[in-house]
Amino acid sequence: DAGVTQSPTHLIKTRGQQVTLRCSPKSGHDTVSWYQQALGQGPQFIFQYYEEEERQRGNFPDRFSGHQFPNYSSELNVNALLLGDSALYLCASSSRQGAGRGSPLHFGNGTRLTVT
Amino acid sequence: AQRVTQPEKLLSVFKGAPVELKCNYSYSGSPELFWYVQYSRQRLQLLLRHISRESIKGFTADLNKGETSFHLKKPFAQEEDSAMYYCALKGNFNKFYFGSGTKLNVKP
Repeated sequence: DAGVTQSPTHLIKTRGQQVTLRCSPKSGHDTVSWYQQALGQGPQFIFQYYEEEERQRGNFPDRFSGHQFPNYSSELNVNALLLGDSALYLCASSSRQGAGRGSPLHFGNGTRLTVT
Repeated sequence: AQRVTQPEKLLSVFKGAPVELKCNYSYSGSPELFWYVQYSRQRLQLLLRHISRESIKGFTADLNKGETSFHLKKPFAQEEDSAMYYCALKGNFNKFYFGSGTKLNVKP
């Protein structure tokens, strides 16, 4: 079991550009959540995808969008990049069927995005 | 509003000393609390969850609803415990709220 995999590991973009980050969930998981982790902070919830639809969204602007594919993998897109978007972007997967009390999230290694 | 507070950014102890990493939360419903750990160059991983009432790697955490706390404790710290520790609250729809983390440094 490869667990949650994310690509790329590092990315450098220029202000105003657009970026796409990718995530494959842990085997058996059908729900993907994206988190932003700024330096020195804990992960902040961006949004969650299940059955190819955005189900929950955190306090992030519309520049942040996503997609989930039939194989449960997901993409995070950020448009019109700002310097403040520089962060570690974490993908986490879980099982909707197993989302009872105590069921945790499983995280990938993250994508380090630097906006210059 | 849901919120998780970890007041200490850094905690340094000597090997063999007791450790307590503090976590306080704000949540109107019935809380589910977790501790996640991130060792150097590794991914964020689950350490323990309050509902299991388990001890993992010697760590325990008790949910205190009166004090809205979920402090992580270990009686005798080991060097391999050095890592970042995040307290997390699970809200509605499997949405997690994380604290800002405490870096534990166990000195030899």
